[in-house]
Amino acid sequence: GAVVSQHPSWVICKSGTSVKIECRSLDFQATTMFWYRQFPKQSLMLMATSNEGSKATYEQGVEKDKFLINHASLTLSTLTVTSAHPEDSSFYICSARANDRAGQPQHFGDGTRLSIL
Amino acid sequence: QKEVEQNSGPLSVPEGAIASLNCTYSDRGSQSFFWYRQYSGKSPELIMFIYSNGDKEDGRFTAQLNKASQYVSLLIRDSQPSDSATYLCAVRGTNAGKSTFGDGTTLTVKP
Repeated sequence: GAVVSQHPSWVICKSGTSVKIECRSLDFQATTMFWYRQFPKQSLMLMATSNEGSKATYEQGVEKDKFLINHASLTLSTLTVTSAHPEDSSFYICSARANDRAGQPQHFGDGTRLSIL
Repeated sequence: QKEVEQNSGPLSVPEGAIASLNCTYSDRGSQSFFWYRQYSGKSPELIMFIYSNGDKEDGRFTAQLNKASQYVSLLIRDSQPSDSATYLCAVRGTNAGKSTFGDGTTLTVKP
């Protein structure tokens, strides 16, 4: 159980393109979803936290107009990288959590490798 | 001081040995603690979680929590080369939202 599906796995596109990444919880309803970015050999960096039906909470330094997050249902969240540039190339990973009870873990998707040419 | 601290490693152990990974945290009110494994180029996967003081065992893995000393550890018994990965400690505090991840400890198990 607790499967999180993330698509696409790989994206290669030209500078200036907008890219949408989907994150779905397949066998549970996710109250909260998280979006991370990870550069090679570096730590996970939390970008934003989203709760179903409400606006995402962005971490300091993350541009909310550039990284649009939508959590329209309890099983789907999307991250749109608008007008992507080469410096946005990274490994983007979503995770989902069923509820806020103590001990409830986050489950990660397989990640999306984004390359902007 | 970071909220969640782990030794970056690399930690190297021979096959069959016990690997011990440690994590300390600063928020005394933290309630939930998680260990994830991340293979190179892959996303993290949950190994186990613990939220009560003491030990929790799952197969070759044992998580130990000591809230008074504010540390959580992960023991891997009979280490295998396939255990070679980066291990991330995550701590969820009194804030009901996010967990804070450590930077991870890289483990290498040598055949």
